[in-house]
Amino acid sequence: GEDVEQSLFLSVREGDSSVINCTYTDSSSTYLYWYKQEPGAGLQLLTYIFSNMDMKQDQRLTVLLNKKDKHLSLRIADTQTGDSAIYFCALDGGSYIPTFGRGTSLIVHP
Amino acid sequence: KAGVTQTPRYLIKTRGQQVTLSCSPISGHRSVSWYQQTPGQGLQFLFEYFSETQRNKGNFPGRFSGRQFSNSRSEMNVSTLELGDSALYLCASSLVGGAGGKTEAFFGQGTRLTVV
Repeated sequence: GEDVEQSLFLSVREGDSSVINCTYTDSSSTYLYWYKQEPGAGLQLLTYIFSNMDMKQDQRLTVLLNKKDKHLSLRIADTQTGDSAIYFCALDGGSYIPTFGRGTSLIVHP
Repeated sequence: KAGVTQTPRYLIKTRGQQVTLSCSPISGHRSVSWYQQTPGQGLQFLFEYFSETQRNKGNFPGRFSGRQFSNSRSEMNVSTLELGDSALYLCASSLVGGAGGKTEAFFGQGTRLTVV
C-alpha cells in the first residue's frame, strides 16, 4: 500500500517561510492534499494539487510536486503564530480513501 | 451548512468495557470514514462506509467495528477496551467520489477516548 512520510516537527520564526515536506511511494495518486489540524480540532483541507501539475499557489501557500522524486511540499510564506498546527499530507492513491502521513507539527515562535 | 458532528466529545472508560461513538456527516455526504489518531502512530484509517456498506477497512482488530444507517449517520464500536485504545477518534465525510476522483474529506472535531 501507499507509504507517506513526513518529518514530525518544524520550528520557524514568525515572519519567515515554512516548508513542510512529504515523500511517498505510490505514484498512482490523482490528487494530493494538504490538511491542517489546529489544537482540539479535526483536520481541515488547506489545499490540493492535481497530479499533472508541478506547482499551485494560493495566497500565502505554495504547493510543489516533484513526481520524479515522489516529493510534495507545502510552503507557507510570512508564517504567523496562527499557523501553528499539525500539517498532514494525503494522497488518494487512486482509491476512495486518502492515505495520510503522520503529520508535521509546525511551531511558530516570535 | 452544518459540518460533521461527532458525539460525545470526551469519554472515559475502564478497561474491558465497550464504547460506541457517533458521527453525523454533512448533509448529502454518503461516505463516512473513521480514523484513530495517537501521538505515536499518527492518523490511522479504521474503516469507511458508503451507503450502509463497509467499503474499505484498515488494519485493526475485530474489536473495532462500525455501521452506517440509511441517513448516512455512522457509529463506531470498540469492545473489550484496552489502555492502548486511548486516542482521538476522527470521523470524516465526503461526497460519493470515485477512485481517482477528488475526494475532499470533511472532518469532525473528534471524540477523545481515555481508557483507564
